[in-house]
Amino acid sequence: TQLLEQSPQFLSIQEGENLTVYCNSSSVFSSLQWYRQEPGEGPVLLVTVVTGGEVKKLKRLTFQFGDARKDSSLHITAAQPGDTGLYLCAASGGSYIPTFGRGTSLIVHP
Amino acid sequence: KAGVTQTPRYLIKTRGQQVTLSCSPISGHRSVSWYQQTPGQGLQFLFEYFSETQRNKGNFPGRFSGRQFSNSRSEMNVSTLELGDSALYLCASSPGTGEGQPQHFGDGTRLSIL
Repeated sequence: TQLLEQSPQFLSIQEGENLTVYCNSSSVFSSLQWYRQEPGEGPVLLVTVVTGGEVKKLKRLTFQFGDARKDSSLHITAAQPGDTGLYLCAASGGSYIPTFGRGTSLIVHP
Repeated sequence: KAGVTQTPRYLIKTRGQQVTLSCSPISGHRSVSWYQQTPGQGLQFLFEYFSETQRNKGNFPGRFSGRQFSNSRSEMNVSTLELGDSALYLCASSPGTGEGQPQHFGDGTRLSIL
């Protein structure tokens, strides 16, 4: 069973701060996705990374896929209250059974 | 473009009962996947349907079943409900099937078992 470990589990910061969350595994993945889930809603896809070492930017969010395609990070610059939510990474490798990490719960205080 | 629609949004059942949840995918999407989300286990894959056929199945007991209709709408059934089945059940659709397909999620059905 492929496991995705996300850290930290919880993060509570002030508006304007920077933060990084991590998604790690011992398995190699062909692609990895990041989602954000707000309370009472389903997850929303933020990005898909495919190539080892790939960096993608989405406004203040920067996503990186590790060179060995076993890990990924999400960096948020100048966090805003609207960034509050549960950040989930997901991947599948080999057989198509998608695995999700347990998520990082982020709260950004105004 | 309408998103993924799940009904009902909330459901309360008692142990031993059975329940059917419904999912309407984004128009044109032929793949529908179901997930169970709990605080303890996170998001876990139940199964995926594509063109009315179950393509992939997660590690859940046979009490959990599903089906897909010709219009790609899907239903999930859970029989002989247990307290541990209390969870948020999420449906996701994608245009096709296969590894790495982006999942478009509905807002889920919150199932509570008393």
